[in-house]
Amino acid sequence: QQQVKQSPQSLIVQKGGISIINCAYENTAFDYFPWYQQFPGKGPALLIAIRPDVSEKKEGRFTISFNKSAKQFSLHIMDSQPGDSATYFCAASMGNAGNMLTFGGGTRLMVKP
Amino acid sequence: KAGVTQTPRYLIKTRGQQVTLSCSPISGHRSVSWYQQTPGQGLQFLFEYFSETQRNKGNFPGRFSGRQFSNSRSEMNVSTLELGDSALYLCASSLGVRATNEKLFFGSGTQLSVL
Repeated sequence: QQQVKQSPQSLIVQKGGISIINCAYENTAFDYFPWYQQFPGKGPALLIAIRPDVSEKKEGRFTISFNKSAKQFSLHIMDSQPGDSATYFCAASMGNAGNMLTFGGGTRLMVKP
Repeated sequence: KAGVTQTPRYLIKTRGQQVTLSCSPISGHRSVSWYQQTPGQGLQFLFEYFSETQRNKGNFPGRFSGRQFSNSRSEMNVSTLELGDSALYLCASSLGVRATNEKLFFGSGTQLSVL
């Protein structure tokens, strides 16, 4: 059973535009929600993360919005750049599960120049 | 500071064989986790080790096993390989075991192909 659903699977955005990727989770025990960025041939790299007691977190051009009641969270990439072209994964974990992350299916983002 | 190092980078095996993959965490990191990445199933958690003890295990058959050494280096083993085991195997390390407090750093993975 997929516990974290991610959409869309792929996304094409013009340079300077806003990229939005959405995730929904089922397990209310999740208490940590990171986003990872993965380039071809590389492992995922942590972008930004949020806990459910915060509704929004911003780091540079990247913002996570979190809706606890809807069990949804999203990644917004402002002023998207061609260098942002990568696959993005949302994930979730719960406090008693150590570093066991449940990942969404991934979104392949292409930013056109 | 060197990142997470995984060896080998690529591996080709045939069905029925076994394979051992190696992971050296970032210096000072004591937690090592393993993930399997495939186009169909995405990223799936295999297991996690901290101070040579397995702390968590994902939903994989017993053919998948791992261990961690006193220097925090880790190995995972897959016995009796099946075609479906073809995947990118990723190792990740962190200082501790609580994901909310510790960043998880991934290596570039070992690409395993089973023929």
